[in-house]
Amino acid sequence: DIQMTQSPSSLSASVGDRVTITCRASQGIGNDLAWYQQKPGKAPKRLIYGVSSLQSGVPSRFSGSGSGTDFTLTISSLQPEDFATYFCLQHNNYPLTFGGGTKVEIK
Amino acid sequence: EVQLVESGGDLVQPGGSLRLSCATSGFTFRSYWMSWLRQAPGKGLEWVANINLDGGEKNYVDSVRGRFTISRDNAQNSLYLQMNSLRVEDTAVYYCGGVAPGYWGQGTLVTVSS
Repeated sequence: DIQMTQSPSSLSASVGDRVTITCRASQGIGNDLAWYQQKPGKAPKRLIYGVSSLQSGVPSRFSGSGSGTDFTLTISSLQPEDFATYFCLQHNNYPLTFGGGTKVEIK
Repeated sequence: EVQLVESGGDLVQPGGSLRLSCATSGFTFRSYWMSWLRQAPGKGLEWVANINLDGGEKNYVDSVRGRFTISRDNAQNSLYLQMNSLRVEDTAVYYCGGVAPGYWGQGTLVTVSS
């Protein structure tokens, strides 16, 4: 199984901060990497697919980058509605696997 | 508007069975592989199973293989998960959706407890 190591597991940040979350895959996954946002009691919402493609309707302050085994989600200017938990997902190999999640909290 | 609505979650005893359903609308269901995810209380997301366009190919995470069966009805735009021999560790919110379109439902809670 491909392990997705996500870091940090949590962070505290202020509105307007630049936030970076990383996922490292235990082996290469090509471009088969997506990022999700989840708020308590809600469904996961896809933000980024194919490493760097922005889901329709998602604000441009979200961006994704990376290649091979190392991937990054960046929020350029954190907004109040962005406080949530973020997960990466690899869908290159079965079983599909998620990172452990990053909880973004208000400082 | 894209909608995915899961149903069928319940409290069941260990060893019991449940069938989850997912009714979809607003996108071309028959054009996408579909999946079930789950999230145990306070835990992260786990992919459970997926199914190809015509139902001829199915994949499962090891922990449910042989106990769970995913299926679909393209005429009804619906996805299903038959869950047998349920264990306490299957307790979770189950979400249906598709990795490719990136749509997921609100989830249905399955609790396995005596």
